[in-house]
Amino acid sequence: NAGVMQNPRHLVRRRGQEARLRCSPMKGHSHVYWYRQLPEEGLKFMVYLQKENIIDESGMPKERFSAEFPKEGPSILRIQQVVRGDSAAYFCASSPPGTGRFNVYGYTFGSGTRLTVV
Amino acid sequence: QQPVQSPQAVILREGEDAVINCSSSKALYSVHWYRQKHGEAPVFLMILLKGGEQKGHEKISASFNEKKQQSSLYLTASQLSYSGTYFCGTESNQGAQKLVFGQGTRLTINP
Repeated sequence: NAGVMQNPRHLVRRRGQEARLRCSPMKGHSHVYWYRQLPEEGLKFMVYLQKENIIDESGMPKERFSAEFPKEGPSILRIQQVVRGDSAAYFCASSPPGTGRFNVYGYTFGSGTRLTVV
Repeated sequence: QQPVQSPQAVILREGEDAVINCSSSKALYSVHWYRQKHGEAPVFLMILLKGGEQKGHEKISASFNEKKQQSSLYLTASQLSYSGTYFCGTESNQGAQKLVFGQGTRLTINP
C-alpha cells in the first residue's frame, strides 16, 4: 500500500516561471492538505481539498497560487510567476474519507517537494 | 490560530526524559503529535480527542487537559532515535477540519 506520493522531490525554477507540484494521496484517502515549510520553521497550512472541491483555502496567498484535486488524477499545487520567497518545502498530506473531524488516524504526509527559485 | 509550543529546543543525554507542551488560547477539538526528522516527512505519533485523555505509544505518551486547551508530550528514557522536531497540530471546534501546527520543538539526544 503506497503512501502519499509527491513529485517531483526537487524542483528548480527561475523567477517568473511556473511551478507545478503533484500529490497522489494514499489509496482510499479523499482528503488532501497542502502545507508549506520554510527552513527551520513549522508547517504552514495552505489549502484543504476533497475531490473536485476546495474546502478551505484560507492559507493560500491570494495571487499566483492555486490548487485543485480533480475527480481523476493527483492533486496539483500551482505557483505562477515564482519569486525567491516561494522557495520552501511543500508537503502534501492525506486522510481517509468520511472521517474528517472524526479522524483518529492522523494525517499521512508525503516526502515533500523542495522548490528552489533562482 | 497557531498553537504555542515550548520549549523551542531540548538537548538530552540518552536515557533522560523530556516534556513538550502545546497550548492554545481556545478549547480545541483535537490535538495531533508528529515527529519530523531532518529532510523527511512528518510522521504521525498520536491523536488526543477527549479532555483529560492520556495516551501512550511505547515510551512516548501524551495528555490533553480537561479544558482541552493544552497538551503535553512525554518522552521517557529517551533513545537516539527520538531525535527530531516534534510538532503539535491542533484542530479547532469551529470551521473546516484542518490542522494548524505549532512552531515545533527540536529534540537532540546525545549518546
